[in-house]
Amino acid sequence: QVQLVESGGGVVQPGRSLRLSCAASGFTFSSYAMHWVRQAPGKGLEWVTVISYDGSNKYYADSVKGRFTISRDNSKNTLYLQMNSLRAEDTAVYYCARDPNIVVVPAASGYDYWGQGTLVTVSS
Amino acid sequence: EIVLAQSPATLSLSPGERATLSCRASQSVGSYLAWYQQKPGQAPRLLIYDASNRATGIPARFSGSGSGTDFTLTISSLEPEDFAVYYCQQRSDWPLTFGQGTKVEIK
Repeated sequence: QVQLVESGGGVVQPGRSLRLSCAASGFTFSSYAMHWVRQAPGKGLEWVTVISYDGSNKYYADSVKGRFTISRDNSKNTLYLQMNSLRAEDTAVYYCARDPNIVVVPAASGYDYWGQGTLVTVSS
Repeated sequence: EIVLAQSPATLSLSPGERATLSCRASQSVGSYLAWYQQKPGQAPRLLIYDASNRATGIPARFSGSGSGTDFTLTISSLEPEDFAVYYCQQRSDWPLTFGQGTKVEIK
């Protein structure tokens, strides 16, 4: 069965860095684009970034552009999110999500599988 | 950026009643719209894609309609497990955006 398991969250001081991982299993990871979506405490969902199935294309929300970097290792079935220069407003649960579309935008389908999320707290 | 406005913010209904949720886009998104359900402490779950197609395993009481700028998610008869927060998402243009959510609560 499809599984996405995030890890790497925790408490970090403003300005510091953190790297999240998302371990995928139960499907051919290298065939799917992958997204990170976050949710601040008590708030709605915010799309963060996406990477194409082969890592050749990446897109970011303006709120994280220049600070966050998405990457993947298809040999390890793992997705990453490198978060630098963290701010208090980056505090959120971070979810990885699978995208069944080859073309990410425009795309008819939504994210068919999500991880359970990992909490990142940016605080001094 | 395409802004998605969901209404109402909260919908108070009883089990067995019909729920109608709205999602309005600031510009046309065609049919590139999805709906998700989220329960407390859980990840979102895909309900509807391409505006009107039910995702795998989603009960027939959930239906989606609309195109362009106006979309509706309808739950024909609320079951106890349907009380949750619902989000729409557009996949028409960058950046991808979500609506702010509609909470369906027990009256």
